[in-house]
Amino acid sequence: DIQMTQSPSSLSASVGDRVTITCQASQDIRSNLNWYQQKPGEAPNLLIYDASNLETGVPSRFSGSGSGTHFTFTISGLQPEDIATYYCQQYDNLITFGQGTRLEIK
Amino acid sequence: QVQLVESGGGVVQPGGSLRLSCAASGFTLSSYGMHWVRQAPGKGLEWVAFIRYDESNEYYEDSVKGRFTISRDKSNNTLHLQMSSLRAEDTAIYYCARDISSTAPDAFDIWGQGTMVTVSS
Repeated sequence: DIQMTQSPSSLSASVGDRVTITCQASQDIRSNLNWYQQKPGEAPNLLIYDASNLETGVPSRFSGSGSGTHFTFTISGLQPEDIATYYCQQYDNLITFGQGTRLEIK
Repeated sequence: QVQLVESGGGVVQPGGSLRLSCAASGFTLSSYGMHWVRQAPGKGLEWVAFIRYDESNEYYEDSVKGRFTISRDKSNNTLHLQMSSLRAEDTAIYYCARDISSTAPDAFDIWGQGTMVTVSS
């Protein structure tokens, strides 16, 4: 089974900050990685697919990069509405999610 | 509009069974791969099961293999999850989700609102 290690588990940042979350795969997953945002009480929402492609309708301040085992998710210019938990998800072999990163406003 | 609506959750005793349903609207369920994903209270997301668009293959997370069965009803455009031998650790919100791929697990682009399953005596 492929394990996904996401860090940090939580972080606090100010409006306008650049925020970075990392996801490490236990083996090479090529670019088979997606990122989701989940706001409290809501279902998750796809933001980034195939490691770096922005889903239609998602603001351009969200971006993703990486391949192989190391991946990065960035919010360039944090907005109050970005308060949520973010998950990475691999699909190279079935599906595994990272543990999630809870993002709070400082 | 494109929508998924789950139903069938509730409280069930350990060892019991429950059948979840997910009604699709705005698209044809049988054209897409479909998943069930769960989230225990206060915890992260856990993938549960996937079915190909043509039902030729199903995949399950190890802890539910042999206990859960994913299926679809084409006539009603509905996805199901039959759950048996339920355990306390199966307690979670269960989401159905559409895959952007029809043939293999990939990304989830449409999610339902979830239905809560509580396994407790």
